[in-house]
Amino acid sequence: DAGITQSPRHKVTETGTPVTLRCHQTENHRYMYWYRQDPGHGLRLIHYSYGVKDTDKGEVSDGYSVSRSKTEDFLLTLESATSSQTSVYFCAISVRENEQYFGPGTRLTVT
Amino acid sequence: KQEVTQIPAALSVPEGENLVLNCSFTDSAIYNLQWFRQDPGKGLTSLLLIQSSQREQTSGRLNASLDKSSGRSTLYIAASQPGDSATYLCAVDGNYGQNFVFGPGTRLSVLP
Repeated sequence: DAGITQSPRHKVTETGTPVTLRCHQTENHRYMYWYRQDPGHGLRLIHYSYGVKDTDKGEVSDGYSVSRSKTEDFLLTLESATSSQTSVYFCAISVRENEQYFGPGTRLTVT
Repeated sequence: KQEVTQIPAALSVPEGENLVLNCSFTDSAIYNLQWFRQDPGKGLTSLLLIQSSQREQTSGRLNASLDKSSGRSTLYIAASQPGDSATYLCAVDGNYGQNFVFGPGTRLSVLP
C-alpha cells in the first residue's frame, strides 16, 4: 500500500458535463500519473506530473486536463464528458527506481 | 513506438503446477520492466521490478527474468495456488517515467 487514494470511486455523469477526479498520495513522491483502462486497449497513459505545476501529456490526452497545485494531489478533469470517456481511471505514483504503485481506481460512466 | 505483447492471453492450470508467463517488447531501449497482478475490479499490485542492468528478480514463488537484447521477459510462478488467479501485466519504462507502456495481460486461472 503506497498510500494512494482516489475519489470518487464510482461516478455516473451525463454527456457534456465537466468531471474532476482526484488522486491523493500520503508521501511526497514527485511523479504521478493518470491512466485509463479499457477492454481491448489495456492501460494507457493520459497525463503525468513530475512536480507541482509540472505536467505533460501522455498517449491519450485529448479531452483531458490535469492540475497539480500541491505535491500530494493530482487532479484529472474531463472538460466536457463524452461516452467514449466511460472507463476505469487509475492514478499511479513512482517511487525508487521508478517502480510504480497504483491507486484503487475510479469507475466512470458517461451516459 | 514501443509495443508490448503478452502470451498467452489466458491460461488455466491445475493447482501445484509451475508456469511461465511471457512478455515481449519491440524497443530494447528500456529503463526498467515491471510485473503487476490485477484482481477483478481492483487496482494493480506491483510484483517485481527489473532494472535494465539486471537479468532477474525473485520474490517468494515468483521469478522474473529480462533479456533486453531479445526484447523478452518471463514471469515464472512456482507451485501455483488458486490465490494466484488474476490477470498479470507487464509494463516497460522507456524514458524514466515519461513512457510507460503496458501489455494487454495474461488472465491466469489456477484450479483447485
